[in-house]
Amino acid sequence: GAVVSQHPSWVICKSGTSVKIECRSLDFQATTMFWYRQFPKQSLMLMATSNEGSKATYEQGVEKDKFLINHASLTLSTLTVTSAHPEDSSFYICSAPTGADLSYEQYFGPGTRLTVT
Amino acid sequence: SQQGEEDPQALSIQEGENATMNCSYKTSINNLQWYRQNSGRGLVHLILIRSNEREKHSGRLRVTLDTSKKSSSLLITASRAADTASYFCATADTGANSKLTFGKGITLSVRP
Repeated sequence: GAVVSQHPSWVICKSGTSVKIECRSLDFQATTMFWYRQFPKQSLMLMATSNEGSKATYEQGVEKDKFLINHASLTLSTLTVTSAHPEDSSFYICSAPTGADLSYEQYFGPGTRLTVT
Repeated sequence: SQQGEEDPQALSIQEGENATMNCSYKTSINNLQWYRQNSGRGLVHLILIRSNEREKHSGRLRVTLDTSKKSSSLLITASRAADTASYFCATADTGANSKLTFGKGITLSVRP
């Protein structure tokens, strides 16, 4: 099956710094990728849809200036958490659909655990 | 916003038993999917059932869909300790390129 990787798998940063998380589709091209946030023992919350070559689409309530998304190639999307604060600590997961229809099967990355101290 | 609501929230069974998990949703859907998540990891797609399908099988998995009741069930037969994980249902609303909405998840523990 299709493989999606994320880097880093975990990161600890100090409050006020920025952190970049990479999401790569390893064996397929993804014009669209999704970024989710998950709190412990809770569901996934869609943050934004990353579109190759164009601006990301953010869900209501998600600050686009705080969570910068760049989808510069067909295999790479990055999420940068700017001026991170402890409340940004969470598990961030990306996914990509392998088909043209975004509503079908998605392949998920292994996630990135962010801890802001 | 969350659409799918799974129940029970947690399930503990003995290895070899069957596990049944349910999901209810609120809107009209294009398809419903089930995913598994091992602790601290990403999600793995298990099975997709379209709105015009009523039942689907994949190995030890059986999924049913009742669009009149807006509900789905996931049955895992002959459970194994390795099935211990969280299970999420996700729905795709009708309409082109609809995004997935995930439920809160069910924590399944299979005791060896």
